[in-house]
Amino acid sequence: GDSVTQMEGPVTLSEEAFLTINCTYTATGYPSLFWYVQYPGEGLQLLLKATKADDKGSNKGFEATYRKETTSFHLEKGSVQVSDSAVYFCALSDRGSGGSNYKLTFGKGTLLTVNP
Amino acid sequence: ETGVTQSPTHLIKTRGQQVTLRCSSQSGHNTVSWYQQALGQGPQFIFQYYREEENGRGNFPPRFSGLQFPNYSSELNVNALELDDSALYLCASSLEAGGGTYEQYFGPGTRLTVT
Repeated sequence: GDSVTQMEGPVTLSEEAFLTINCTYTATGYPSLFWYVQYPGEGLQLLLKATKADDKGSNKGFEATYRKETTSFHLEKGSVQVSDSAVYFCALSDRGSGGSNYKLTFGKGTLLTVNP
Repeated sequence: ETGVTQSPTHLIKTRGQQVTLRCSSQSGHNTVSWYQQALGQGPQFIFQYYREEENGRGNFPPRFSGLQFPNYSSELNVNALELDDSALYLCASSLEAGGGTYEQYFGPGTRLTVT
């Protein structure tokens, strides 16, 4: 079945540092890939997405490129801020077994803490 | 545009009891998915409803059931609660689009504690 593996956290950085959170996936079909962010006490917010190979998703300075050859979708940001402190989830969406059910399969999440 | 809302925010139940969680989808969205997020874990797919019918189910027992109403709001029901059911329950709504790569928009969740 589908699965997503993220680098384990927690990740602690100083403000303005470079961020990379690794994500690899296994899927039987041609999934879409997502990064979601969860701030303390809140639900999930979509950060960025990519729907096909070599697509780059970007938002709020974050970027991730859909690499089919390495089945990866690593999240990067050139200069993190304290306000970026949150849990980041990599996820894929794929058609369920023969149906139209596009469920999301999530990684376990990576806690990012950015210190001033 | 109204986002996804869930009620209640927090809930405490006793083992063996039953619980109903509610979700109002984002305006115009016809698909609702439910996820269970245990502490420190990623969300796990429970099931999805599309136009009032179940449209896929994850690896959850039958005591997890749901409904979707004509206005596309939804309920998640859990019978015979167990301690391991303690989690954040997330509802997500979406509009199924051609190609199927639609986005899911999440509500704030209901925190269920089973004692």
